[in-house]
Amino acid sequence: SQKIEQNSEALNIQEGKTATLTCNYTNYSPAYLQWYRQDPGRGPVFLLLIRENEKEKRKERLKVTFDTTLKQSLFHITASQPADSATYLCAFPGAGSYQLTFGKGTKLSVIP
Amino acid sequence: DAGITQSPRHKVTETGTPVTLRCHQTENHRYMYWYRQDPGHGLRLIHYSYGVKDTDKGEVSDGYSVSRSKTEDFLLTLESATSSQTSVYFCATQTPSGALTGELFFGEGSRLTVL
Repeated sequence: SQKIEQNSEALNIQEGKTATLTCNYTNYSPAYLQWYRQDPGRGPVFLLLIRENEKEKRKERLKVTFDTTLKQSLFHITASQPADSATYLCAFPGAGSYQLTFGKGTKLSVIP
Repeated sequence: DAGITQSPRHKVTETGTPVTLRCHQTENHRYMYWYRQDPGHGLRLIHYSYGVKDTDKGEVSDGYSVSRSKTEDFLLTLESATSSQTSVYFCATQTPSGALTGELFFGEGSRLTVL
């Protein structure tokens, strides 16, 4: 079965630096991959989607890449701010389905 | 933001009692989902619905049932709660067009503690 690995449970970074979070998967390559942000005590909020034929997607200070050869997506936050501190989840659909499978998330802390 | 309301937001119950969590949405999204979130496991799909009276099992459906009699309401029932069902439960919705890309809109969660 498909597995998702977000290889850091926690990441601490200095304010102003670029945060890079990793999402790896096994087996088949999904048609698309998504990233969500989750604040403590809140539900996840959708941030970005990238399709398998797209190498890179940007939204303001966020950038996502999708490398089907490496079976990996990278999520970058440039010029990080303390307000970016949250848990970030990657997710993608199962083979032939719409249901999303989520990674366990990476808790990002941006230190002033 | 999609109008998704979960109730109750917090509940403490005892082993063996039935529990029903409600998800109400005002966005007329056709697809609805129930996830549970636990430390070390992330979000796991319990049940989902593609429309009224159209439901199916997810990854961790044992011990849970769902019902969807109206587009706006999706109920999750624990027939006989166990301590292993202590968790935070999230409802999510999705539009049909969104299903092609899968963007989910989540509620605020229901924290359930089974003693």
